[in-house]
Amino acid sequence: DAGVIQSPRHEVTEMGQEVTLRCKPISGHDYLFWYRQTMMRGLELLIYFNNNVPIDDSGMPEDRFSAKMPNASFSTLKIQPSEPRDSAVYFCASRDTLTDTQYFGPGTRLTVL
Amino acid sequence: TQLLEQSPQFLSIQEGENLTVYCNSSSVFSSLQWYRQEPGEGPVLLVTVVTGGEVKKLKRLTFQFGDARKDSSLHITAAQPGDTGLYLCAGESGGSNYKLTFGKGTLLTVNP
Repeated sequence: DAGVIQSPRHEVTEMGQEVTLRCKPISGHDYLFWYRQTMMRGLELLIYFNNNVPIDDSGMPEDRFSAKMPNASFSTLKIQPSEPRDSAVYFCASRDTLTDTQYFGPGTRLTVL
Repeated sequence: TQLLEQSPQFLSIQEGENLTVYCNSSSVFSSLQWYRQEPGEGPVLLVTVVTGGEVKKLKRLTFQFGDARKDSSLHITAAQPGDTGLYLCAGESGGSNYKLTFGKGTLLTVNP
């Protein structure tokens, strides 16, 4: 398996633009997580899904952020409109419930100018 | 809100030295995980500790979970340059809630 796949790896955009981050979890994993990592706040959970259904979105910072999981092999995190304070590395992870192991993707480094 | 405090934030040592990093909280966790993250990559799970007082060893790395399941430590013996990275601890509340609360990490640099 190729592991968790995220795209793009880097995104540079201007304030006010819409940004869409994509994630393909490991096949067979029922849980998918979106995290954000910054120097100031560390790694924070934004939202997670179980069997494509959002379970907890209490970490989503505000209405500008939305996440979807239309099927078991794809999820998106959208920011509209983007702001400079959204600049961070965004990670997607999926969980193997047999081994209780979360596998992280390589991340998307987002820069909002 | 559950918080995990990691110390030290930064650690720079010479190859062959021993070190310990700490992860502390006022909250009880059902389990605690340690990850290592290298530049440009996502965190990779090293170990999960579940039972209060539990000690796990992974080659030169020794992980301990506090008796009250509120804190943990990671000890590295004879550090190697390949141990360089960001070490993160993460606590899980348990039950069907798979949310992880992460500490901010300890950035370890092992100089040759």
